[in-house]
Amino acid sequence: EPEVTQTPSHQVTQMGQEVILRCVPISNHLYFYWYRQILGQKVEFLVSFYNNEISEKSEIFDDQFSVERPDGSNFTLKIRSTKLEDSAMYFCASSGTRPSYNEQFFGPGTRLTVL
Amino acid sequence: AQKVTQAQTEISVVEKEDVTLDCVYETRDTTYYLFWYKQPPSGELVFLIRRNSFDEQNEISGRYSWNFQKSTSSFNFTITASQVVDSAVYFCALSEAGTGTASKLTFGTGTRLQVTL
Repeated sequence: EPEVTQTPSHQVTQMGQEVILRCVPISNHLYFYWYRQILGQKVEFLVSFYNNEISEKSEIFDDQFSVERPDGSNFTLKIRSTKLEDSAMYFCASSGTRPSYNEQFFGPGTRLTVL
Repeated sequence: AQKVTQAQTEISVVEKEDVTLDCVYETRDTTYYLFWYKQPPSGELVFLIRRNSFDEQNEISGRYSWNFQKSTSSFNFTITASQVVDSAVYFCALSEAGTGTASKLTFGTGTRLQVTL
């Protein structure tokens, strides 16, 4: 069964460093998303991406964040200068075409720890 | 703006008890989708069900059942004869249909279910 994969599973970084979180969506999917879950809290939407551009972004997704689909299979989330409050689990998701485009499949997550 | 409320922060039951997790949503759209996800201690999000706003039929899948009532804007989830493996955090989520492209999921705060022997 196809699945969304994410690497690394856990990333530890120093405050101010850049991190890139990687995701491989399901191969025939067209819509891609990043969500964030701070420990013990709810899952929050960051950004959606379609047709090589951002469709929607939340207020969390400020200038420190960017997304890219560099090679047609990977979907990355970059945080330019990490802050302590960026420590969270980051989930990538993807969804297909109509009528299933609202069924988002989630990856296992990357736990980001900023020290 | 869309909103999902899961008023139950934590529920503890003894194995074999039935348990219902509540979900109340708010949306201005007439077309929307409701979801339940399970998050076990390992942390991944496991998709359980999707329901669109035009389908109010209740659904049963094994020990799981869902009760969708538009009149009360609720989408409740019942586990019958709970088992220890059901222990997890359960999230209800809402997606508005938007303009035909996929739109974000708005999650509730989750209900932590603890099933003990």
